[in-house]
Amino acid sequence: DAGVIQSPRHEVTEMGQEVTLRCKPISGHNSLFWYRQTMMRGLELLIYFNNNVPIDDSGMPEDRFSAKMPNASFSTLKIQPSEPRDSAVYFCASSRQGVQGEKLFFGSGTQLSVL
Amino acid sequence: DAKTTQPTSMDCAEGRAANLPCNHSTISGNEYVYWYRQIHSQGPQYIIHGLKNNETNEMASLIITEDRKSSTLILPHATLRDTAVYYCIVVIQGAQKLVFGQGTRLTINP
Repeated sequence: DAGVIQSPRHEVTEMGQEVTLRCKPISGHNSLFWYRQTMMRGLELLIYFNNNVPIDDSGMPEDRFSAKMPNASFSTLKIQPSEPRDSAVYFCASSRQGVQGEKLFFGSGTQLSVL
Repeated sequence: DAKTTQPTSMDCAEGRAANLPCNHSTISGNEYVYWYRQIHSQGPQYIIHGLKNNETNEMASLIITEDRKSSTLILPHATLRDTAVYYCIVVIQGAQKLVFGQGTRLTINP
């Protein structure tokens, strides 16, 4: 298995532009998680899905952020409009079901820079 | 979930055992202890988890005290590639999400 695949690996954009980050979870995994990592705040859980349904989006910073999971093999995290403070590494992770007794497998992340 | 306390940083010599402590004094009976690590510029990687008994796998050993208020992750023969941030996380049974703290930055020195 190729693992969790994220794209792009790096994204540089200007303030105000729309940014879309993509994630392909491991086949057969039913839970998907989006995390954001910065030096100041560490790893923060933004949102997670079970069986393509968003369960908890309380970590999403504000309305500029949205996430979708149209099918079991694809998810997007969109920022519109982007701001410099959104600069961070965004990780996607998946597991068979939830976290208890499970391993989370993380992608390589998307390094986002908003100028 | 119970709060965990870890040292901010640790050093270990290559080839020696690295022992990473974690305090979780408020842990309850149905909460598991998980360890993940994050090597620079990579996503976090699962290492091991346990409830009451000590656990061992190909990566590490997890020693949980009898009262479950603390645990130690042991990397038996540390290599330079083990340099990473190690996260100790307590997860309640049935939890749907994993919340990371600040972790311990482990540096393996040649």
